[in-house]
Amino acid sequence: DIQMTQSPSSLSASVGDRVTFTCQASQDINIYLNWLQQKPGKAPKVLIYGASSLETGVPSRFSGRGSGTVFTLTISSLQPEDVATYYCQQYNTLPPTFGPGTKVDLE
Amino acid sequence: EVHLVESGGGLNQPGRSLRLSCKASGFTFGDYSVNWVRQTPGKGLQWLSFIRNTFYGGTTEYAPSVKGRITISRDDSEGLAYLHINNLKADDTAVYFCVRDRSSNPGNFDYWGQGTLVIVAS
Repeated sequence: DIQMTQSPSSLSASVGDRVTFTCQASQDINIYLNWLQQKPGKAPKVLIYGASSLETGVPSRFSGRGSGTVFTLTISSLQPEDVATYYCQQYNTLPPTFGPGTKVDLE
Repeated sequence: EVHLVESGGGLNQPGRSLRLSCKASGFTFGDYSVNWVRQTPGKGLQWLSFIRNTFYGGTTEYAPSVKGRITISRDDSEGLAYLHINNLKADDTAVYFCVRDRSSNPGNFDYWGQGTLVIVAS
């Protein structure tokens, strides 16, 4: 299985901060990567698919980049409603696999 | 609006079987493939199974760790997907999500259901 790692595991930032976190795949996954947001007690929600395509209805402050094995998710201006855990997930190779998540909270 | 609603969770004894259901609405269910994913605090998110839409023959895929013990199926006339789990183990304790797929291969997720909690304990 392809292993997905994420860094950092958690971060604290202030409203308005630009935050970036990283996802690394154990082998080349081209651009077949999703970024998911999960708020406490809720189901995950897809923010980005195909590494950089913004899901319909997702605010434009979210952006994704990368290909191959290294990917980033950036929130250009952190908002209170962005407090959540963010997961990357590859779908290049069966089985689809998920990273352990980056937990974001407010300072 | 797309909705996926899982049901069938609850407390179950080890060794028993369980069927989870996923009711879809707000879209033409038969046009889409469906995944089941589960989540535990310890192991995180784990993809379990996938069933293609009718155009692709309704064929299935399974995670190796659960293959042989789970079965995915669908009833397009009712807008339902199912996950049948045999020989329940304590490790099957998790929240189970039904997830719509954009494509004919697993993992290109778009909409998630709210999940149903399965607890396996004696």
